[in-house]
Amino acid sequence: AQSVTQLGSHVSVSEGALVLLRCNYSSSVPPYLFWYVQYPNQGLQLLLKYTSAATLVKGINGFEAEFKKSETSFHLTKPSAHMSDAAEYFCAVSKYGNKLVFGAGTILRVKS
Amino acid sequence: EPEVTQTPSHQVTQMGQEVILRCVPISNHLYFYWYRQILGQKVEFLVSFYNNEISEKSEIFDDQFSVERPDGSNFTLKIRSTKLEDSAMYFCASSGRSQDYEQYFGPGTRLTVT
Repeated sequence: AQSVTQLGSHVSVSEGALVLLRCNYSSSVPPYLFWYVQYPNQGLQLLLKYTSAATLVKGINGFEAEFKKSETSFHLTKPSAHMSDAAEYFCAVSKYGNKLVFGAGTILRVKS
Repeated sequence: EPEVTQTPSHQVTQMGQEVILRCVPISNHLYFYWYRQILGQKVEFLVSFYNNEISEKSEIFDDQFSVERPDGSNFTLKIRSTKLEDSAMYFCASSGRSQDYEQYFGPGTRLTVT
């Protein structure tokens, strides 16, 4: 069975600081990995995805993530946080592009 | 840009009543999904649908739930007899064969069972 663990239910950073949201996965087959963002009272928007191509994946809004098979990780980073990045972020895994299995989410707070 | 739409945005119903949540997936997509998110919890998979039949369902998706694609554009989730614990945000998603398995999510329907 596949699973996702997101370390830290809440992360707080200052505006302009590095954002690092952690995600570790468990999968019996090569996984497809995704990061989604959810703004308050809105749906899920895809930030980026890994589908067995380049291990460093660039997404929207300046976010990127690196697939590290040896560490079973897919951490999300952004060099400089903006106030508009405040939201909840979900890491998800799927097998062969089927159902998504989500992590518990990390709420990102950006302090001015 | 094409998007997934869902109606209604908020539905309030009494326990034991039937509800139908509606979704219009992106027009050329072939795979359809329902997920739910109970307040404060993670997003959970309910069911996937392809070629007019269920391709996978979770243990949550019991006999009280059903899905249908009645007219080639809408994709519905029916809950026959709602329970208090069905209160959640329900998300519809769709994906196309050529989209690298990317699932596009609708804005969700907040279901409140009283």
